[in-house]
Amino acid sequence: NAGVMQNPRHLVRRRGQEARLRCSPMKGHSHVYWYRQLPEEGLKFMVYLQKENIIDESGMPKERFSAEFPKEGPSILRIQQVVRGDSAAYFCASSPPNQEKLFFGSGTQLSVL
Amino acid sequence: QQQVKQSPQSLIVQKGGISIINCAYENTAFDYFPWYQQFPGKGPALLIAIRPDVSEKKEGRFTISFNKSAKQFSLHIMDSQPGDSATYFCAASKGASGSRLTFGEGTQLTVNP
Repeated sequence: NAGVMQNPRHLVRRRGQEARLRCSPMKGHSHVYWYRQLPEEGLKFMVYLQKENIIDESGMPKERFSAEFPKEGPSILRIQQVVRGDSAAYFCASSPPNQEKLFFGSGTQLSVL
Repeated sequence: QQQVKQSPQSLIVQKGGISIINCAYENTAFDYFPWYQQFPGKGPALLIAIRPDVSEKKEGRFTISFNKSAKQFSLHIMDSQPGDSATYFCAASKGASGSRLTFGEGTQLTVNP
């Protein structure tokens, strides 16, 4: 049973470009979470999704950020018109239904030049 | 109300010693308290977790102590080993499936041989 798969591992974008981060949850997991980690800081919650539904997006910046978890395929975190302050490690986690234990992927390191 | 405060920020311990990391929370609705271990370039991995109905939980060399009245919990690593060198995060949530985890700022543990 493969773990949570995130790709790419590293993503470099210039200011103003779009960044797309992908996350495939563990088999049998229907809940996906995105967290952001700035250097020397803890993880900050961004969004919680189930298949085709955004359940809690209270941690998402109001503009430029969006997330989806379609019926088929991976969850996508999309950042439009990236700025230098978006540079961070973005972690995806998944959990089975009715469990609070989260399994994290290895993250995507986004660097904005 | 949503904060989880963690200390110390960094910790150096000799091999065989005891590592102690402390966390305090504010939100009395929290009822699930996990500890995560993170190695460089990797995602956080669940180490051990506790619920407030017990004051202590032990798994191998790792022990969580929980003080509900003080709203504090701590991680003890007995017989610390160089392989334990990592960043440790405490976290808290309301425990129900889908509840967001609120993380502490992390403790960089170094175990010297």
